Amino acid sequence: DGGITQSPKYLFRKEGQNVTLSCEQNLNHDAMYWYRQDPGQGLRLIYYSQIVNDFQKGDIAEGYSVSREKKESFPLTVTSAQKNPTAFYLCASRLVGRVDVDGNQPQHFGDGTRLSIL
Amino acid sequence: GQQVMQIPQYQHVQEGEDFTTYCNSSTTLSNIQWYKQRPGGHPVFLIQLVKSGEVKKQKRLTFQFGEAKKNSSLHITATQTTDVGTYFCANFGNEKLTFGTGTRLTIIP
Repeated sequence: DGGITQSPKYLFRKEGQNVTLSCEQNLNHDAMYWYRQDPGQGLRLIYYSQIVNDFQKGDIAEGYSVSREKKESFPLTVTSAQKNPTAFYLCASRLVGRVDVDGNQPQHFGDGTRLSIL
Repeated sequence: GQQVMQIPQYQHVQEGEDFTTYCNSSTTLSNIQWYKQRPGGHPVFLIQLVKSGEVKKQKRLTFQFGEAKKNSSLHITATQTTDVGTYFCANFGNEKLTFGTGTRLTIIP
């Protein structure tokens, strides 16, 4: 969706290395989310944040860390503790406490980052 | 946590045939959102259902929310090649989405 930028598009990680995935949005959305998608599977929530300087663990937070120092940015670090990091990582954002012109509260997704192990 | 199941996992249809995917939960769903993910792409929001028994239509797509708010369905009439992709339902509750397992639709021209 326009307005959410994830980088890089492809990333390779060496054993024992931490890597950081970038997510920036210019939609003035309050909440931001990180999901992991494995081949042929659904999306699983890693971390989410509803306001600056606050975030909560999702269903699979182990081996990951995040920060929310600015409303526009929600970077995800995949640490060396995450033993199986190969996946498609998706960042999303949404308005909080408000609805769009159609009365909905959708999440808007970036184009994703594909992370592989070297 | 809440689990949201979808069936079937895969569906192959001839172009022009209808397609339906079902979303089920053992617990009450708060509100259901449906997303479509094209191959190699990211999920794109389609619709949101909030009320028990709600039915919404978007051209050839019909979305339903069960009376007991424990299931939902997406029906596509007369599929076209542009309908290819994976369709996900997701329950929106406690400020986060819990995604279903998805149904991958392929179209045989």
